[in-house]
Amino acid sequence: KNQVEQSPQSLIILEGKNCTLQCNYTVSPFSNLRWYKQDTGRGPVSLTIMTFSENTKSNGRYTATLDADTKQSSLHITASQLSDSASYICVVSVRLSGGYNKLIFGAGTRLAVHP
Amino acid sequence: GAVVSQHPSRVICKSGTSVKIECRSLDFQATTMFWYRQFPKKSLMLMATSNEGSKATYEQGVEKDKFLINHASLTLSTLTVTSAHPEDSSFYICSARDLGAHEYTQYFGPGTRLTVL
Repeated sequence: KNQVEQSPQSLIILEGKNCTLQCNYTVSPFSNLRWYKQDTGRGPVSLTIMTFSENTKSNGRYTATLDADTKQSSLHITASQLSDSASYICVVSVRLSGGYNKLIFGAGTRLAVHP
Repeated sequence: GAVVSQHPSRVICKSGTSVKIECRSLDFQATTMFWYRQFPKKSLMLMATSNEGSKATYEQGVEKDKFLINHASLTLSTLTVTSAHPEDSSFYICSARDLGAHEYTQYFGPGTRLTVL
């Protein structure tokens, strides 16, 4: 069964600190892995997209890693800001027959950055 | 970047009425649009995949007669929740795949909060 699991479920950190969010997946056949940021009451916004051959990708203070062998990914946030408070969703794309992709969503990690 | 809009952003309706939600790609053409539902503190669940000019493909367990999807143009898809009931209250999010971009590119709308009284 295609599944994406994220940890921790929620996290509280102080402004300026770093944090790392984890994502484990059992998806086959794997196409790509994405990290999204979702503010409360808003749609998800893409942070990074990584294919099988990529093991790290950065977007400003966000750095994602991918280990396709162990089927694990992480999202590292550097020097956190209050505006980083949101849910971070790990999404794995599975390749279906006919060349189409289907997105499998994790439940997300709810990050709260406190002053 | 590409923008996907949804209208309305929130709607409150009485039980038994129908509600239509619009999803528009503002600066790109989208042959494929997706409709998701998200309950509080839960992940997005795909309801259906909508291709322009053809019938939508619904996920298992989603009633196609209750959630009517129309994708009449390359920039507009609509989701109509018919005879809405309180259990249909949820956050509905659409996304659109950019026809001219990489196949991985998929943009999400801001969501529509539906509350059925």
